[in-house]
Amino acid sequence: QKEVEQDPGPLSVPEGAIVSLNCTYSNSAFQYFMWYRQYSRKGPELLMYTYSSGNKEDGRFTAQVDKSSKYISLFIRDSQPSDSATYLCAMTGNTGGFKTIFGAGTRLFVKA
Amino acid sequence: DTGVSQNPRHKITKRGQNVTFRCDPISEHNRLYWYRQTLGQGPEFLTYFQNEAQLEKSRLLSDRFSAERPKGSFSTLEIQRTEQGDSAMYLCASSLGTDYSGYTFGSGTRLTVV
Repeated sequence: QKEVEQDPGPLSVPEGAIVSLNCTYSNSAFQYFMWYRQYSRKGPELLMYTYSSGNKEDGRFTAQVDKSSKYISLFIRDSQPSDSATYLCAMTGNTGGFKTIFGAGTRLFVKA
Repeated sequence: DTGVSQNPRHKITKRGQNVTFRCDPISEHNRLYWYRQTLGQGPEFLTYFQNEAQLEKSRLLSDRFSAERPKGSFSTLEIQRTEQGDSAMYLCASSLGTDYSGYTFGSGTRLTVV
């Protein structure tokens, strides 16, 4: 079993839809939870990070962490074609130089 | 500073040849990480440096792989006697400080072993 599980999709939605992306994990030592966006042939770009449980909002993006369930989510409101990319969840603990473990990524297509 | 720079962007090599990739991190970042990403997968940790010290290496990093970061500046990743299974995107990332602040990734070096 992988430490971080993420449905690879693809997920296809119409423009303006609310998108929900999710990951589960098994290591209770994880304390920082991140979402990266990766466009084709590019490196991942950090979207948001959250420390411990709770919600964090940044514009159209909301990240949620439920440590009791070992479950994290990213919501995208009013999705745009420019949001089409692969979304990687990632997490790390306080040790090992913040070595980060990534999910497999979910491919998202937003249709105009 | 325009971010993390990786060279070359693409490398095609014959099986058995040696290859070397370079990463120039953001200048004030003290941590540097190497990851490998294959199609349809997330990045997998290979190794990381704090300044010039290599502090951790993954089991994925066989004896054919070596990484250096002389003087805590740029880093190189060398693969000796390449195999077809080494074909992947090699990503470099850097970060700053003692607390977590996320990585800044480069655009990667895509290696194809034929």
